[in-house]
Amino acid sequence: AQSVTQLGSHVSVSEGALVLLRCNYSSSVPPYLFWYVQYPNQGLQLLLKYTTGATLVKGINGFEAEFKKSETSFHLTKPSAHMSDAAEYFCAVSVTGTALIFGKGTTLSVSS
Amino acid sequence: DAGVIQSPRHEVTEMGQEVTLRCKPISGHDYLFWYRQTMMRGLELLIYFNNNVPIDDSGMPEDRFSAKMPNASFSTLKIQPSEPRDSAVYFCASSLEMFNASTDTQYFGPGTRLTVL
Repeated sequence: AQSVTQLGSHVSVSEGALVLLRCNYSSSVPPYLFWYVQYPNQGLQLLLKYTTGATLVKGINGFEAEFKKSETSFHLTKPSAHMSDAAEYFCAVSVTGTALIFGKGTTLSVSS
Repeated sequence: DAGVIQSPRHEVTEMGQEVTLRCKPISGHDYLFWYRQTMMRGLELLIYFNNNVPIDDSGMPEDRFSAKMPNASFSTLKIQPSEPRDSAVYFCASSLEMFNASTDTQYFGPGTRLTVL
């Protein structure tokens, strides 16, 4: 069975600082990996996804994530945080034919 | 396309009452998913449909919960009778295919915030 662990339920950064949100997964077969963002009172929006091929995946709003099979990780990064990045971020895993399994989420706060 | 539409956006009801949440998926999407989000348990998949047929309802918490998809453009999630512990945000999502590499994106609705008093 697949599972996702997001390390840190709350991350705080200053505007302009590096954003690093951690995600580790468990899967017995090669997984598909996703990052979603949820702004207050809204549904989830896909940031980026890894399916096959290049392990460094670029998404919207300047975010990127790297699939590291040896570390079973898919951490989300952004070089410079903006105030508008404040939201909750969810990592998710799936394998072919199954639904998404989400992590508990990480709330990102950005201070000026 | 208007995206996934959910109604109502907010629902406040009293314990014991029946609650019906509604979802209209994106036109042409074959898969529809119902999720529940709570502080304690995060985002949980309740049930999903493929071509209007329920495929996996193992996440439905108990018999008080039921979901239907009478046609490709409409689904309901019903709780009868409702209890305070059912208070949560319920999301509906749809996707074109299950997880084809080129099209596997789930589109989420804005959610229904349910409060059971």
